[in-house]
Amino acid sequence: DTEVTQTPKHLVMGMTNKKSLKCEQHMGHRAMYWYKQKAKKPPELMFVYSYEKLSINESVPSRFSPECPNSSLLNLHLHALQPEDSALYLCASSQDEVRGETEAFFGQGTRLTVV
Amino acid sequence: AQRVTQPEKLLSVFKGAPVELKCNYSYSGSPELFWYVQYSRQRLQLLLRHISRESIKGFTADLNKGETSFHLKKPFAQEEDSAMYYCALFSGGYNKLIFGAGTRLAVHP
Repeated sequence: DTEVTQTPKHLVMGMTNKKSLKCEQHMGHRAMYWYKQKAKKPPELMFVYSYEKLSINESVPSRFSPECPNSSLLNLHLHALQPEDSALYLCASSQDEVRGETEAFFGQGTRLTVV
Repeated sequence: AQRVTQPEKLLSVFKGAPVELKCNYSYSGSPELFWYVQYSRQRLQLLLRHISRESIKGFTADLNKGETSFHLKKPFAQEEDSAMYYCALFSGGYNKLIFGAGTRLAVHP
């Protein structure tokens, strides 16, 4: 299995809702990432988990809360979002830079619309 | 500072023409560079990595440390090459992949 699976594919939520995005990989990768991609823009890094611990938070607002329950799963909890948070949210994983395997595999993304 | 620069937002060519997508980087250590491609309605996927020095779908890219460049080349473009191409730099020590702004390649019949 060489895929990163994200659910849901599409999500529409109100500004007072709480929702979660899910990401799963079964490649044994030890690094997992959340990226945000606006239309016609490159992916912007939000969070990095390395060995299930949060290693990078790129000054993301607290209304986005990541969670890594185990080495195969990554969640992004959303609360009180703003319309400008509407974007494609990408999950990715990679092996381990210590082993020299740094290629990142991306999921198809969750297209989020905040109304 | 770690940075990836792709100077062209759009590259428009005719089928069969040569293609070169430019990428320059800024990195203090030994760089690890990638080209990713995003076809319409498909996930972002790895095209090339500099350490493997391979050719994928006819594309090649050579790391030039003197010019801090990693340009993507293909001698004869095909219509199916039309996509968004991102150059990316892996920042060691942080497991951080930094993307350039991207270049949209449009290959016309």
